[in-house]
Amino acid sequence: NAGVTQTPKFQVLKTGQSMTLQCAQDMNHNSMYWYRQDPGMGLRLIYYSASEGTTDKGEVPNGYNVSRLNKREFSLRLESAAPSQTSVYFCASSEGVGAYYNEQFFGPGTRLTVL
Amino acid sequence: AQSVTQPDIHITVSEGASLELRCNYSYGATPYLFWYVQSPGQGLQLLLKYFSGDTLVQGIKGFEAEFKRSQSSFNLRKPSVHWSDAAEYFCAVGASGNDMRFGAGTRLTVKP
Repeated sequence: NAGVTQTPKFQVLKTGQSMTLQCAQDMNHNSMYWYRQDPGMGLRLIYYSASEGTTDKGEVPNGYNVSRLNKREFSLRLESAAPSQTSVYFCASSEGVGAYYNEQFFGPGTRLTVL
Repeated sequence: AQSVTQPDIHITVSEGASLELRCNYSYGATPYLFWYVQSPGQGLQLLLKYFSGDTLVQGIKGFEAEFKRSQSSFNLRKPSVHWSDAAEYFCAVGASGNDMRFGAGTRLTVKP
């Protein structure tokens, strides 16, 4: 059982480049989430998916798109990276629908730097 | 929307000493409250959660937290800290749907 896996672990982009962060979970969870973590600000929700085929915006969705490819996989895409998107990105999953009361299981994170 | 404040950015305690990490929340009703721990280079792991009932909640690794409605607080405690407890600790509050807010975190350093 790998839990939640994320690729890549590290990435450096130039302003304007695009990239996709991959996330997969093997716990048969229904809900998946993308967060960003910035110093002094904790984690902020970017997008979430309550089930396969559905996605919704979180607190800070601007500049990002997501795809819930199937029940296991949830990807985050930066179409035109900006320095303000330099951050550590975490993917998480939970069994039930609704982050507000379900335990979330987190991946190890992707450290992204945009120059 | 709900919010969370962790007043202490960094705390240093000696191994074997007791620990209390503070968390204050702002929300109109009784929220769902969580403490997560993040070890260096790792994702977050749930320590404990409070939904209702007994206001003293036991978690993993010997941690406990007490919900105090009158003070809007949910402080995390451990009677005797181990060197392996050095990590960053996040308090989080959930209100509804997928609206989960995390505090800025408290980094714990353990002195030998």
